[in-house]
Amino acid sequence: EPEVTQTPSHQVTQMGQEVILRCVPISNHLYFYWYRQILGQKVEFLVSFYNNEISEKSEIFDDQFSVERPDGSNFTLKIRSTKLEDSAMYFCASRSGTGNTGELFFGEGSRLTVL
Amino acid sequence: DAKTTQPPSMDCAEGRAANLPCNHSTISGNEYVYWYRQIHSQGPQYIIHGLKNNETNEMASLIITEDRKSSTLILPHATLRDTAVYYCIVRVEVSGYSTLTFGKGTMLLVSP
Repeated sequence: EPEVTQTPSHQVTQMGQEVILRCVPISNHLYFYWYRQILGQKVEFLVSFYNNEISEKSEIFDDQFSVERPDGSNFTLKIRSTKLEDSAMYFCASRSGTGNTGELFFGEGSRLTVL
Repeated sequence: DAKTTQPPSMDCAEGRAANLPCNHSTISGNEYVYWYRQIHSQGPQYIIHGLKNNETNEMASLIITEDRKSSTLILPHATLRDTAVYYCIVRVEVSGYSTLTFGKGTMLLVSP
């Protein structure tokens, strides 16, 4: 069964460093998303991406964050100048875009720990 | 904020049906009801969705009241692996990037 894969599964970084989280969405999917979940809290929407541009973003997704799809397969989330409060699980998701089903397929997540 | 209300936790005996309620009294006519679950910090997993009619798939059944103000997710024969947080989400269905907004969900504990 096709799946969304994310790397790394866990990254530890020092405050102020830049981090890139990578995702390989399901082949032929057209819509891509990043969500995050701070430990013990809700899953929060960050950004959606379609047709090589951001289609929607939340208040959390400020200038510290950026996304891109550099090579048609990977979908990356870059976090610049990380802060302690960026420590969270980051989930990538993709959606096919055909028909009207809203089923999102999520990856297993990348755990980011900022020290 | 999420437009749904769910009990924070529920218990169910293994092998019995788990009935998870969700209140969405302000749902609009073009909003679907979606159910996802999250097993211990894994990525959320899609379960089922519906608009008006009851729906069933290999995982669960979704019962939506006639006025659409509430729904129930039914896991017919719960197993220990069904222990998870279950999220009820209402979402406008458009052929685009309509996002999911997760609430706190219901923590379902299935016990032997």
